[in-house]
Amino acid sequence: DADVTQTPRNRITKTGKRIMLECSQTKGHDRMYWYRQDPGLGLRLIYYSFDVKDINKGEISDGYSVSRQAQAKFSLSLESAIPNQTALYFCATSDSRAAKNIQYFGAGTRLSVL
Amino acid sequence: RKEVEQDPGPFNVPEGATVAFNCTYSNSASQSFFWYRQDCRKEPKLLMSVYSSGNEDGRFTAQLNRASQYISLLIRDSKLSDSATYLCVVNILSNYQLIWGAGTKLIIKP
Repeated sequence: DADVTQTPRNRITKTGKRIMLECSQTKGHDRMYWYRQDPGLGLRLIYYSFDVKDINKGEISDGYSVSRQAQAKFSLSLESAIPNQTALYFCATSDSRAAKNIQYFGAGTRLSVL
Repeated sequence: RKEVEQDPGPFNVPEGATVAFNCTYSNSASQSFFWYRQDCRKEPKLLMSVYSSGNEDGRFTAQLNRASQYISLLIRDSKLSDSATYLCVVNILSNYQLIWGAGTKLIIKP
């Protein structure tokens, strides 16, 4: 089983719908991240969480919200999806105790907003 | 100017050749550096960390030049399985975030 699991893997939705993407991890890491990836652009950070009570906005948080339900779970919501939120979304984790900030990724969720 | 810049490629290279690509970063406070590999439609995976003294992992060699603010990756004796996008990543410790380049696409041809 994957250490970082994202669900769903693919989703097609319509403009205005509320969407939740879920991420769970078995790595025991305290830090979790949500990124989006668009063609020709690097990964861009949406939100990150250093522990259950710590949530921070990333570079592109507008239109998104998150919930850290437990150390192992971090979900991303699009309250009212719009077409320019069509992208590949990745969840990642890291361990604050590690010497370097190496991040481990889920397999991604491909979201299309029509 | 992007914080981390890479030549998007693609680099089309025959199998067995040596290929190198660079990445430049703009923030002199950058502390840690990495190369990640991303296969088509898959998640990024750590290829190697980059150390100031340079480091090697099998056919892969990474170099860091702090003065010029660039990182390089050299792949020797390239294999078909090396075809992927290589992402340059920089960590600015003051904010614990990773800054990602857009990637360099490498295609190894038989």
